[in-house]
Amino acid sequence: GESVGLHLPTLSVQEGDNSIINCAYSNSASDYFIWYKQESGKGPQFIIDIRSNMDKRQGQRVTVLLNKTVKHLSLQIAATQPGDSAVYFCAENSGGSQGNLIFGKGTKLSVKP
Amino acid sequence: GEEVAQTPKHLVRGEGQKAKLYCAPIKGHSYVFWYQQVLKNEFKFLISFQNENVFDETGMPKERFSAKCLPNSPCSLEIQATKLEDSAVYFCASSQSRGNYGYTFGSGTRLTVV
Repeated sequence: GESVGLHLPTLSVQEGDNSIINCAYSNSASDYFIWYKQESGKGPQFIIDIRSNMDKRQGQRVTVLLNKTVKHLSLQIAATQPGDSAVYFCAENSGGSQGNLIFGKGTKLSVKP
Repeated sequence: GEEVAQTPKHLVRGEGQKAKLYCAPIKGHSYVFWYQQVLKNEFKFLISFQNENVFDETGMPKERFSAKCLPNSPCSLEIQATKLEDSAVYFCASSQSRGNYGYTFGSGTRLTVV
């Protein structure tokens, strides 16, 4: 189990509502950002990405917004479904040529039927 | 195949024993990354490869961890003399290129050190 004091930020929404998950990133030189979904017992699953020359990108039911001024990233999920319940992570390209990702802390999304 | 295959799914080792984890990247992907996830939360970057060459090992604990990606073999991550704090899920990801592309992750290997 998890240690005392460790808990994920949790967002609880009603099925059909929209969800917004926020993330603050660390490196102002980062030029590429990804949102991942992680279900229990599985690896991170790519949802949507955005490059630093954009401030908004839309996918199917998902939208990512990037605010470089305040180093903030958000993921919007429209018409949230029970299958969206998972932990969501933002990740930034480290900004160098190395290419490894720096992950933010996850947010647990719980969808109530 | 179109998935990153990690084996075994679960591994239990006594403290001080060796642990070896395997990762087969997606065919055609030149880059392989290893991450450690502790307590279902933060991901820590360990090491990356470009084909069989170490590309970035800044996250690797120097003393007990080693990794290889040899031609025509799965990549491997080996931990000598495991410690309790090595208990984590170890994820492998592969990518066609570094930097500006989403990586495909495997399902991970859960290592429990007892």
